[in-house]
Amino acid sequence: NAGVTQTPKFRVLKTGQSMTLLCAQDMNHEYMYWYRQDPGMGLRLIHYSVGEGTTAKGEVPDGYNVSRLKKQNFLLGLESAAPSQTSVYFCASSYGRDNTEAFFGQGTRLTVV
Amino acid sequence: DQQVKQNSPSLSVQEGRISILNCDYTNSMFDYFLWYKKYPAEGPTFLISISSIKDKNEDGRFTVFLNKSAKHLSLHIVPSQPGDSAVYFCAASGWRGGGADGLTFGKGTHLIIQP
Repeated sequence: NAGVTQTPKFRVLKTGQSMTLLCAQDMNHEYMYWYRQDPGMGLRLIHYSVGEGTTAKGEVPDGYNVSRLKKQNFLLGLESAAPSQTSVYFCASSYGRDNTEAFFGQGTRLTVV
Repeated sequence: DQQVKQNSPSLSVQEGRISILNCDYTNSMFDYFLWYKKYPAEGPTFLISISSIKDKNEDGRFTVFLNKSAKHLSLHIVPSQPGDSAVYFCAASGWRGGGADGLTFGKGTHLIIQP
């Protein structure tokens, strides 16, 4: 049982490049989330999904897009990377409204130069 | 405007003693609170939670206390062990209160257990 798996674990991008971060969960969770963590900060919600085919904006959505074509996968896209998007990105999933305990992936460390 | 605040960036405690981590919140819509533990280069892992209808929840060495009137919660770890050294995040959710989806996190407290 892998839980929540993120790929890649590390990536260096040049300003203006695009990339997609993949999150996969095998717990049949309805809800999935993307967070970013910056030094000295807590985790901040970028986008989330309450089910297959749905997405919604979180606290810091600008510069990111997401898709949830399959229940087990949640993709985070950066169309034109900026140095301000240098961060550690965490994906999480949870059962949903009746159980808010979220399970996290191991994180993706992204550097934009 | 920070809705979940952990005012102590770090805390040092001797092994075997009690560790007390504090958290304050401002949003009255929050009705479910969680503590996560995070080791370097790993994702946060769920530790313990408490619903707003309770004032205490206990799980082994970990106890969370909630004071709704003061909008304050605390995590007690007793006895503290070396493996408890990590960053602890307080998080809040407004699910049942109809608030925003997802969790709102504090900035974290780095707990250091000294031998």
